[in-house]
Amino acid sequence: GAVVSQHPSRVICKSGTSVKIECRSLDFQATTMFWYRQFPKQSLMLMATSNEGSKATYEQGVEKDKFLINHASLTLSTLTVTSAHPEDSSFYICSARVTGGYNEQFFGPGTRLTVL
Amino acid sequence: AQSVTQLDSHVSVSEGTPVLLRCNYSSSYSPSLFWYVQHPNKGLQLLLKYTSAATLVKGINGFEAEFKKSETSFHLTKPSAHMSDAAEYFCVVSYLSGGYQKVTFGIGTKLQVIP
Repeated sequence: GAVVSQHPSRVICKSGTSVKIECRSLDFQATTMFWYRQFPKQSLMLMATSNEGSKATYEQGVEKDKFLINHASLTLSTLTVTSAHPEDSSFYICSARVTGGYNEQFFGPGTRLTVL
Repeated sequence: AQSVTQLDSHVSVSEGTPVLLRCNYSSSYSPSLFWYVQHPNKGLQLLLKYTSAATLVKGINGFEAEFKKSETSFHLTKPSAHMSDAAEYFCVVSYLSGGYQKVTFGIGTKLQVIP
């Protein structure tokens, strides 16, 4: 099956620093990738939809200047949490949809961000 | 508007007994529906999906779900629970909005399997 990787799997950073999370589709091309956020004991919340070669579409309430998304190639999307604060600590999961494929999304293993 | 309601936040079953995880959806269009499983500190794995073909969908690990339009339900079942089934399960509805694909996740059901 299609494999999606995320790097890093865990990151701890100081408040005020920026953190970049990579999402890669390893064996398929993904025109569209999605970024989700999951707080403890809660469901996944879609943050933004990342389309290769164009600007990301952010969900209501998600600050685009704080969560920078770049989808520069058909296999890589990055999420940068700028000036991270403790309330940004969360589990970030990306997913990718096969180019030309149906609605199925393949999920990455997630990145645990802890901001001290 | 699209929404997903998972009726139980926590389900506990004994090993070897049937599993039923309930999901109701609300969708203005013909939806695509999915069940995903998430083990602790792991990503999500697709169990099965409904995409307007057969209403009874069989997935991996012995799970299946039946799409019932009249009841707007997509409940997940398994005849016999295994210890390895203990995890969080998410019901998901997928739809197009403004030309983009969107998904809405249910809040999740935590399945506990008792030996």
